[in-house]
Amino acid sequence: EAQVTQNPRYLITVTGKKLTVTCSQNMNHEYMSWYRQDPGLGLRQIYYSMNVEVTDKGDVPEGYKVSRKEKRNFPLILESPSPNQTSLYFCASSLSLSGQGAKETQYFGPGTRLLVL
Amino acid sequence: QKEVEQDPGPLSVPEGAIVSLNCTYSNSAFQYFMWYRQYSRKGPELLMYTYSSGNKEDGRFTAQVDKSSKYISLFIRDSQPSDSATYLCAMSAIYSSASKIIFGSGTRLSIRP
Repeated sequence: EAQVTQNPRYLITVTGKKLTVTCSQNMNHEYMSWYRQDPGLGLRQIYYSMNVEVTDKGDVPEGYKVSRKEKRNFPLILESPSPNQTSLYFCASSLSLSGQGAKETQYFGPGTRLLVL
Repeated sequence: QKEVEQDPGPLSVPEGAIVSLNCTYSNSAFQYFMWYRQYSRKGPELLMYTYSSGNKEDGRFTAQVDKSSKYISLFIRDSQPSDSATYLCAMSAIYSSASKIIFGSGTRLSIRP
């Protein structure tokens, strides 16, 4: 089954304690992205990756890091989490993002709900 | 000003009604317009996709794009309780070698049986 998986689904942590949220896709997609979703603000892009070893900042990258060492995996790292990073996080992937129409269809993971105390 | 504006709702209508969901945008470079549906505690899933101006129909759903007015709509005919979800508009343009997708904040829709 084609899917995007995220782990963990729920996480409660304390300020300053490093954490990693994993994301994996089994569709051989080139493009992967991380979003956070907050009430009234919708989905905002944190980081994206066009392919292995190619990453770039989205709209709200502060406080986050990513890496893309393999095509299928795109972990999100919070080196020193703060309460303003409490949010619902989604990983997404698509075949490409080259402006070729349907290839831009993004498949989303189930979400990771993070609470930073 | 946000690049994409979407009425957050909530919008509550009786079963069988026609629903109209809308977004406005400011960036004239947007060329691809999408509607995602998000059920509670789930990730968004693509519902409709259109390129440039015009209409696209898929079953009970019709997506409409008016680039001259910078306005897009999603119509749901014969609405069902299973249509209750948050609907997010999204749009993208091409900047050099990479595209960027901007999402609206979502409209929460409830269909009353």
